[in-house]
Amino acid sequence: GIQVEQSPPDLILQEGANSTLRCNFSDSVNNLQWFHQNPWGQLINLFYIPSGTKQNGRLSATTVATERYSLLYISSSQTTDSGVYFCAAYQAGGTSYGKLTFGQGTILTVHP
Amino acid sequence: NAGVMQNPRHLVRRRGQEARLRCSPMKGHSHVYWYRQLPEEGLKFMVYLQKENIIDESGMPKERFSAEFPKEGPSILRIQQVVRGDSAAYFCASSGMDPPDTQYFGPGTRLTVL
Repeated sequence: GIQVEQSPPDLILQEGANSTLRCNFSDSVNNLQWFHQNPWGQLINLFYIPSGTKQNGRLSATTVATERYSLLYISSSQTTDSGVYFCAAYQAGGTSYGKLTFGQGTILTVHP
Repeated sequence: NAGVMQNPRHLVRRRGQEARLRCSPMKGHSHVYWYRQLPEEGLKFMVYLQKENIIDESGMPKERFSAEFPKEGPSILRIQQVVRGDSAAYFCASSGMDPPDTQYFGPGTRLTVL
């Protein structure tokens, strides 16, 4: 099955800094989603982005499907951005119908 | 529009008991997915269901675990004779269309087995 790898594993920022999180995947995808798991454990949908670029406030994401990676940009970070960021991919033509494969996550800590 | 709802949010069971986790999908969604987050293993797919049908259960443990999504009512993930290794967060997601449609996740049920 598809492999999904995220980098960096940990990231520590001062409030106001910008950051880029990366997600590499090993095969073609029909779906690529980014999530934020907050300190309470809830998974918040950020983007559905199998290709192209999207923006939502201080967050934006770009997926280059032909090169098998996606990037999540966080600008002017705030303490409330802390948590774990996951990307998850749905393999094109895979044998498991419905399965999102998650990366191991990037743990982001934003200090005031 | 209410999101995906899961209950209970926290569940404590003793070894050997049964655990029942419930999931109500978003309004208008008929596709439900269950995932498990173990402390050192990340989020893993378990099963995908549509109303009254199991579509893909490739991620379900072969024993003690079962899932259903009846015509009426929530989806249920059932774990029989729980063991300590079942302690985890169990997330339900739903989508409005066939995969690879966007999956929206619920808040999760945290199961602790004593």
